Amino acid sequence: EIVLTQSPGTLSLSPGERATLSCRASQRISGNSLAWYQQKPGQAPRLLIYDASTRATGIPDRFSGSGSGTDFTLTISRLEPEDFAVYHCQRYGTSVPTFGQGTKVEIK
Amino acid sequence: QVQLQQSGPGLVKPSETLSLTCTVSGGSMNHYFWTWVRQPPGKGLECLGNILYSGATNYNPSLESRVTISVDTSKKQFSLNLKSVSPADTAVYYCARGNGWHDYWGQGTLVTVSS
Repeated sequence: EIVLTQSPGTLSLSPGERATLSCRASQRISGNSLAWYQQKPGQAPRLLIYDASTRATGIPDRFSGSGSGTDFTLTISRLEPEDFAVYHCQRYGTSVPTFGQGTKVEIK
Repeated sequence: QVQLQQSGPGLVKPSETLSLTCTVSGGSMNHYFWTWVRQPPGKGLECLGNILYSGATNYNPSLESRVTISVDTSKKQFSLNLKSVSPADTAVYYCARGNGWHDYWGQGTLVTVSS
């Protein structure tokens, strides 16, 4: 079973700064089958990125995904106040997808 | 716009069965997988399993002996049954579309397992 490890656990940044979140897989993920979600307190996750780098419908272009193989990155180019949340990566392409443990982006 | 509306009890007694239903509106169930995901308080997301509109299922191996997911396309609903629950099953349960990425989610149901 492929395990996803997200780092850092918490990222403390100020609005306007750049956020770089990492998702590392214990084995190679084929087909770049990786998604990123944003989750705010009391809300369901919101799909941001799929296939490692494709933005979902309606997602601002300050969000970008990159990477392949075992190392993937979500970048938020300039943090807006509404971007402070928890971010989850997810690996799919098998019968049951798996998630990382999440990275919290908090206001510094 | 596809919407998923969850229903079911928020409190279940230990050893009993947790049952939730997700009703799909604004789109067809055909040609999609439909998934149940849960999130224990303060923890990450865990996929419980999914079901194709035709009824084929996939379950998380760690829960396979206790989970059943079913679908009724005539009612545009799919359901989760988790038997023999314990306090460790306390979580927010979500329904979602897709068995790859999930583009539509239900609102979530906090299910507490307690006597």
